[in-house]
Amino acid sequence: GAGVSQSPSNKVTEKGKDVELRCDPISGHTALYWYRQSLGQGLEFLIYFQGNSAPDKSGLPSDRFSAERTGGSVSTLTIQRTQQEDSAVYLCASSLLLTGGQETQYFGPGTRLLVL
Amino acid sequence: GNSVTQMEGPVTLSEEAFLTINCTYTATGYPSLFWYVQYPGEGLQLLLKATKADDKGSNKGFEATYRKETTSFHLEKGSVQVSDSAVYFCALSASQGGKLIFGQGTELSVKP
Repeated sequence: GAGVSQSPSNKVTEKGKDVELRCDPISGHTALYWYRQSLGQGLEFLIYFQGNSAPDKSGLPSDRFSAERTGGSVSTLTIQRTQQEDSAVYLCASSLLLTGGQETQYFGPGTRLLVL
Repeated sequence: GNSVTQMEGPVTLSEEAFLTINCTYTATGYPSLFWYVQYPGEGLQLLLKATKADDKGSNKGFEATYRKETTSFHLEKGSVQVSDSAVYFCALSASQGGKLIFGQGTELSVKP
């Protein structure tokens, strides 16, 4: 079946511009996660959705970052006024969140963001 | 807070050598533990997991045992292949929401 998909696969933008990154989770997966992978910081959690609500936004690095999920499916991560330190690979994952953290998360291929 | 520490790479081995990648964790409560692998040019995928103490996860010849007394989850394989060359990430999940906390990753290179 179809896995997690993300778009675009690559995005180059200028400092100060806004960007939107999209994630399509596996059909039926209720939990959706955003992570960031960068050379300096490794793999970091950003935010998680259960259905359309986000019980944990603790990893968002600043108020320039926001995310939403609609219809319990697609999610969009928005970065406003991008900075060079936002350059990273943004990963989305989804899972069936049934028993508190034991389920496997399935990752998408990521969006590679470069801020010039 | 919760954290994961894994041995630094890169690790270079010859084919058929024995592999150990050390992973230790700090967590409150009883986390689930995971090893994820990222092959060159591919996305992260689950290699194996263990959800309670003394559980052993295994897949593709890799094994890891959840050791609560030493807070460890070391990855082992008896005989590595060139195709095992990848970056390996140890991770834990300790919250109801299941967010993963990753180690810094260990790059493995296997030479023929």
